[in-house]
Amino acid sequence: DQQVKQNSPSLSVQEGRISILNCDYTNSMFDYFLWYKKYPAEGPTFLISISSIKDKNEDGRFTVFLNKSAKHLSLHIVPSQPGDSAVYFCAASANPRPDKLIFGTGTRLQVFP
Amino acid sequence: EPEVTQTPSHQVTQMGQEVILRCVPISNHLYFYWYRQILGQKVEFLVSFYNNEISEKSEIFDDQFSVERPDGSNFTLKIRSTKLEDSAMYFCASSRDRGMNEQYFGPGTRLTVT
Repeated sequence: DQQVKQNSPSLSVQEGRISILNCDYTNSMFDYFLWYKKYPAEGPTFLISISSIKDKNEDGRFTVFLNKSAKHLSLHIVPSQPGDSAVYFCAASANPRPDKLIFGTGTRLQVFP
Repeated sequence: EPEVTQTPSHQVTQMGQEVILRCVPISNHLYFYWYRQILGQKVEFLVSFYNNEISEKSEIFDDQFSVERPDGSNFTLKIRSTKLEDSAMYFCASSRDRGMNEQYFGPGTRLTVT
């Protein structure tokens, strides 16, 4: 099941710079997208979401961009902080099955001083 | 800040035994979910639950699995006869609404089947 793909398993960014995490999807029925952050031995923590009627959503340092024609979304973190170091998952859901979140494989972000 | 809690954090069981994983969802949430993550693999949806019944389940959620909300606060996942391949992290989640609404996850229970 490769409906949601995160092609970069890892990303290393200097503190203060922008982190850009990417996610591609194949199912055109997806209408809601979410980003989660996960630390080791913890559950996924909700970060930010976007519905398919928008192309951008911003919350503090986090901005999610959605390009429906390219079936691509990205998470921008500006400025990046060492505490942002974690695994980031994108997830998607579709009507008529809105309960089921389909997750990507995750991207490990490391923010170094 | 309200959070989803899960117990135990780690459960070791022998193949063929029954296990019950427990979750306390966020108190004003109405929709409840179980996911699992096998080591090195994606987080996978198992089941969703609303109004005391299953609203959706995946192909993983076969007759060996069941869910229950035995009282006003707990939400449980039972595996009737565990197999080696059930070893995984099991995450409970809850949401206020259905669909375009973020799901909040608990810390997980690591199930090890020997």
